[in-house]
Amino acid sequence: KAGVTQTPRYLIKTRGQQVTLSCSPISGHRSVSWYQQTPGQGLQFLFEYFSETQRNKGNFPGRFSGRQFSNSRSEMNVSTLELGDSALYLCASSWGGARETQYFGPGTRLLVL
Amino acid sequence: QQQVKQSPQSLIVQKGGISIINCAYENTAFDYFPWYQQFPGKGPALLIAIRPDVSEKKEGRFTISFNKSAKQFSLHIMDSQPGDSATYFCAVSGGTSYGKLTFGQGTILTVHP
Repeated sequence: KAGVTQTPRYLIKTRGQQVTLSCSPISGHRSVSWYQQTPGQGLQFLFEYFSETQRNKGNFPGRFSGRQFSNSRSEMNVSTLELGDSALYLCASSWGGARETQYFGPGTRLLVL
Repeated sequence: QQQVKQSPQSLIVQKGGISIINCAYENTAFDYFPWYQQFPGKGPALLIAIRPDVSEKKEGRFTISFNKSAKQFSLHIMDSQPGDSATYFCAVSGGTSYGKLTFGQGTILTVHP
């Protein structure tokens, strides 16, 4: 079974631009969670989608948004990029229950100049 | 407020030794405690997880010890190997907090041959 895939793997943007990242979950998984990983803050939860609905949200500004499609693929968007948004963005998929294993993709490395 | 405190930040052990990483949490509502392993350039991968109804869980060389009253849990890696060199994260989740893992800051483990 194919794992979680994320595209693109690397991105370079400049301040003020916006960016869209994509995540394809493991086949059959209906939950997709997004995390930001930085050396200073570690792994922080952004939001989670299940059956096209956002069920949970972390403490990030409204510039960070996401959506999920009917095939469970998910996208996250960051508008008006700031230097501090440089990070590894990870998505993880699971069946959707509260205490299930989350399977992570390799991440998208975003550099904001 | 840091909900999960992980220690040590880094750990160096000799091949064949025991590696021990500790985590402490605040919220008694947490009821799912996984450990993730992350290699450079990869997303985190589940290593082992425990629920609070047991005090210990062993899978191969990896053991989780859980102390509910102290709100602490730890990862023990027996017979540590150079291939175990990676970053380890503890995480917590609970209740109806769907899709959200709260991670510790991570421990960089180096196993010398």
